[in-house]
Amino acid sequence: EAGVTQSPTHLIKTRGQQATLRCSPISGHTSVYWYQQALGLGLQFLLWYDEGEERNRGNFPPRFSGRQFPNYSSELNVNALELEDSALYLCASSFRTQQPQHFGDGTRLSIL
Amino acid sequence: QQQVKQSPQSLIVQKGGISIINCAYENTAFDYFPWYQQFPGKGPALLIAIRPDVSEKKEGRFTISFNKSAKQFSLHIMDSQPGDSATYFCAARSSEKLVFGKGMKLTVNP
Repeated sequence: EAGVTQSPTHLIKTRGQQATLRCSPISGHTSVYWYQQALGLGLQFLLWYDEGEERNRGNFPPRFSGRQFPNYSSELNVNALELEDSALYLCASSFRTQQPQHFGDGTRLSIL
Repeated sequence: QQQVKQSPQSLIVQKGGISIINCAYENTAFDYFPWYQQFPGKGPALLIAIRPDVSEKKEGRFTISFNKSAKQFSLHIMDSQPGDSATYFCAARSSEKLVFGKGMKLTVNP
């Protein structure tokens, strides 16, 4: 069974640009979660999508947004990139709510 | 109240030794406590998890001990192996959101 897949593996942008990160959940999983793993800040919850709807949001500004598609894949959009947005962005999925979350290997976003 | 405090930050043990990682929390709304293992360049992998109505759970060499009254839980790795060298994160879940500890880097010397 394929795990959570994320693309691209690495993404290099400059300040002010926009970034789009993609995630395909494990087959059969309907919930998708996004986390940011930044140096010194650890893993922080960003967004949760379930059945195409945003269900919960972490303490991040509105320029972090996303969506979930009918096939349950998801994308994370970050607008007006800032230097401190440099981090590993991790996607996780679970089979419905209240189930374990399984992570992909992340997208490394570097802001120059 | 949303914090999960993890200690120690790093640990070096000899092969065959016991590794112990401790975590503490404040939010009584947390309903699920997983541990994740992360190797460099990889995402966190779910290792073992426990719910607050259980005091201990064992899977192979990994055991979680949970003390609800003290709001503490710990991971014990028995017979530690060099392949266990990784960063370990405890976490706690509330409303589908995982709150993570800062992580502990484990080094197991051969």
